[in-house]
Amino acid sequence: SYVLTQPPSVSVAPGQTARITCGGNNIGSKSVHWYQQKPGQAPVLVVYDDSDRPSGIPERFSGSNSGNTATLTISRVEAGDEADYYCQVWDSSSDHPRVFGTGTKVTVL
Amino acid sequence: EVQLVESGGGLVQPGRSLRLSCTASGFTFGDYAMSWVRQAPGKGLEWVGFIRSKAYGGTTEYAASVKGRFTISRDDSKSIAYLQMNSLKTEDTAVYYCTRDDRSGWYYWGQGTLVTVSS
Repeated sequence: SYVLTQPPSVSVAPGQTARITCGGNNIGSKSVHWYQQKPGQAPVLVVYDDSDRPSGIPERFSGSNSGNTATLTISRVEAGDEADYYCQVWDSSSDHPRVFGTGTKVTVL
Repeated sequence: EVQLVESGGGLVQPGRSLRLSCTASGFTFGDYAMSWVRQAPGKGLEWVGFIRSKAYGGTTEYAASVKGRFTISRDDSKSIAYLQMNSLKTEDTAVYYCTRDDRSGWYYWGQGTLVTVSS
């Protein structure tokens, strides 16, 4: 099945930029979605189809996808952005058609 | 307003069965595929399986870790998706979420229901 690899953790100071990568074989050919999850809560979709934002998600959240790496960028990081982040793709050609990344814990210093 | 509410979780012994329900409202349930996702304590998200809408055959797909033990079904007349879990193992202990399986990301999630498999 398709494997998505994320760094376990990213630390960032308030006001700075956090970049979370999601590596996968030729991931640039797939649509990537990103979720934010805070402790005890269900995941929240923050970016879909590589770079689109659902309504209500701040413009500080943006995404890109090319080659073997997709990236979620959080600009002007705030304390409330501290959470786990997961990438996701659909791999309809495989026997495991929905795949999550390994997850990244974002810590705001 | 779209709502998804899971129920049926609890404590169950290894080898036993449990059925979870996901009750949907606020949209035409029969038009959508539904997925189940789980999260073991302190671990990441794991896709469990999904069921297509009747328009696409109502067929199912499962993760390798649950294939042959778990079954997803749906009752469109009641707007409910089910996750039947048989031969449960301790490693199935997790919070189980249902989601509307939208291609452009999963915007709608339930609040989750905890399943604990322990003797």
